[in-house]
Amino acid sequence: AQSVAQPEDQVNVAEGNPLTVKCTYSVSGNPYLFWYVQYPNRGLQFLLKYITGDNLVKGSYGFEAEFNKSQTSFHLKKPSALVSDSALYFCAVRDGTGGFKTIFGAGTRLFVKA
Amino acid sequence: EAGVAQSPRYKIIEKRQSVAFWCNPISGHATLYWYQQILGQGPKLLIQFQNNGVVDDSQLPKDRFSAERLKGVDSTLKIQPAKLEDSAVYLCASSLVAMNEQFFGPGTRLTVL
Repeated sequence: AQSVAQPEDQVNVAEGNPLTVKCTYSVSGNPYLFWYVQYPNRGLQFLLKYITGDNLVKGSYGFEAEFNKSQTSFHLKKPSALVSDSALYFCAVRDGTGGFKTIFGAGTRLFVKA
Repeated sequence: EAGVAQSPRYKIIEKRQSVAFWCNPISGHATLYWYQQILGQGPKLLIQFQNNGVVDDSQLPKDRFSAERLKGVDSTLKIQPAKLEDSAVYLCASSLVAMNEQFFGPGTRLTVL
């Protein structure tokens, strides 16, 4: 069965510093991996995805994520955090070999301090 | 392009009452999803449609929840009768095809008293 874990409930970082939000997954086949962001009082928004190809994928708002097959991880990164990046981040995984269901992690709250 | 529309935005009902939510996906999107998001948790898929057919409803409590997507466009999700534990935000999302990223509506916040 597929699953996704976000080991940190909250990540705190100072503005201008690099940030990392962690995600690990488990699927039986090839993974389709996604990151979504939820700002206060706004809906979930797509940030980036990995389907195949380069392990480093770039997305919206300067975010990027690195797919690591051996560690079954898909960590979200940004070189320089902004206060406006403060939000709730969700990692999601889908089994690419025939399963239809997308599983979301529990979410990680990012707090960027000025 | 217009996003995913949902209504109502908020709903308060008594337990054992019924409630219905409506979703209009992005035009041309074949896949439509309904999620339940309980406070502090990630979205949980309730049902997924491909056009007007159901492709996954394994986590839908079928004794009280039902959903339909007539004509492969908009969709309704119904709860009858509601329980206290149904209090959550109900999210509708759509994607061009099932493999692609999903676009979410603003959600309906349901409170069951």
